This record gives sequence, C-alpha cells and structure tokens, in this order.
Amino acid sequence: AAGVIQSPRHLIKEKRETATLKCYPIPRHDTVYWYQQGPGQDPQFLISFYEKMQSDKGSIPDRFSAQQFSDYHSELNMSSLELGDSALYFCASSSIPGNTEAFFGQGTRLTVV
Amino acid sequence: KQEVTQIPAALSVPEGENLVLNCSFTDSAIYNLQWFRQDPGKGLTSLLLIQSSQREQTSGRLNASLDKSSGRSTLYIAASQPGDSATYLCAVRKGDHPQGGSEKLVFGKGTKLTVNP
Repeated sequence: AAGVIQSPRHLIKEKRETATLKCYPIPRHDTVYWYQQGPGQDPQFLISFYEKMQSDKGSIPDRFSAQQFSDYHSELNMSSLELGDSALYFCASSSIPGNTEAFFGQGTRLTVV
Repeated sequence: KQEVTQIPAALSVPEGENLVLNCSFTDSAIYNLQWFRQDPGKGLTSLLLIQSSQREQTSGRLNASLDKSSGRSTLYIAASQPGDSATYLCAVRKGDHPQGGSEKLVFGKGTKLTVNP
C-alpha cells in the first residue's frame, strides 16, 4: 500500500541558509500535517492543510512557511536556518471523511551546522 | 489545552512478559486516540486507532483500551519480544477542525520499551 513519502531523507545546511522539505501524502488523503521532533522530544505540531488551504497553525516560526499544491503534495520552506532547527521533520496525512487515522512519513532529518 | 502524559517514561522487561503502557489526557472531549511505535531516528508507525465511541482495539499481540470519561488509555503487549523494543507514543485528536480537515494530534512524550532476550 502507498505510504506518505518525504524527501529528502537527510539534509545538511549551514546557518542562515534555506531548506525545502517535500511531502507526498497517501493518495486520496485530503489533510496534511507537519511536525517537528527534536532529540528526545515528542513531535510538535507545526501546521496543517485541508484541501490545499491552511487549516491550523501550531508553533511554527515566522521563518518557516508551507503550502499544499493542487496535487495535494506539500512543501515546508525554512529560511534563515538556526542551529536549533536541527530536528526530524515529519509529514502525516489523513482523510475526511473516514476514520481520520494519521499516517506518518519516514521523516526528513535536518542538520544545521 | 490538551495535555497527554505517558507513564512510565521507560520500561525494561525480560522477553516473554506481558506489559502495559499507560496514557492519560486532560481533556476527555476527544475524537480518537492513536498509539504509535517509533524506532530510534525513524518514522512513526501507527499501531492502533481507537474511536471515541470504542472501548478497545486489538491487533495481533497488541490490545489498546480507552476510557474516555476518565481520560485514560492503555496499550497491552502480550508475550513481549526483543523486536518490540522501541518508543511507544500515544496521541489524541479532538475532532474535525472548524476550518476543515481534522484536528491535529497531540502527543505524549512516549514510553521507551526495552525487551531483553
């Protein structure tokens, strides 16, 4: 069965650089979520999209932005990177209507040096 | 604000033991609850989803229960194996979002399970 695909799997950037993370949800899933997980931490919600519109916003820095495109894939853009942005970034998708079970991708490990 | 707590933070057991992981949440008005497994540096694998109207769900050696009124869920793992070693995360969802789509998941900090051969 198709799963949530994230790319790249690993990314190394220098401080003040920009990064773009991509997420391809499960086909026919209409909701995408982005989470950030620091070392030893639980996943923290960043932002979500439903039918290509932003539906909720969490603790996402102003330096970050995201969007969902017409094919439902989503991109998280991160600018002016800081050392503290180093983390695992997860994308998840779910479907309305349905049981809304969320499926997560394998994540992108971002290291800022 | 919904808060999710998982106890214990870490658990080490010998192979073959049955064990229970606990999850509690402060706001009982949830839509559903999911249990996930996470291996070090890896993604989150959905184990079980319990809707608010359900009391329990089973998958193989795993059984999850939900007591919404008391804000508690348990994950029971039978006959544990070394391959079960991972961090287990509990997450709750409030419901449908007013702007469309479903509400975000709120996670606990997880229980790190080690099953010794």
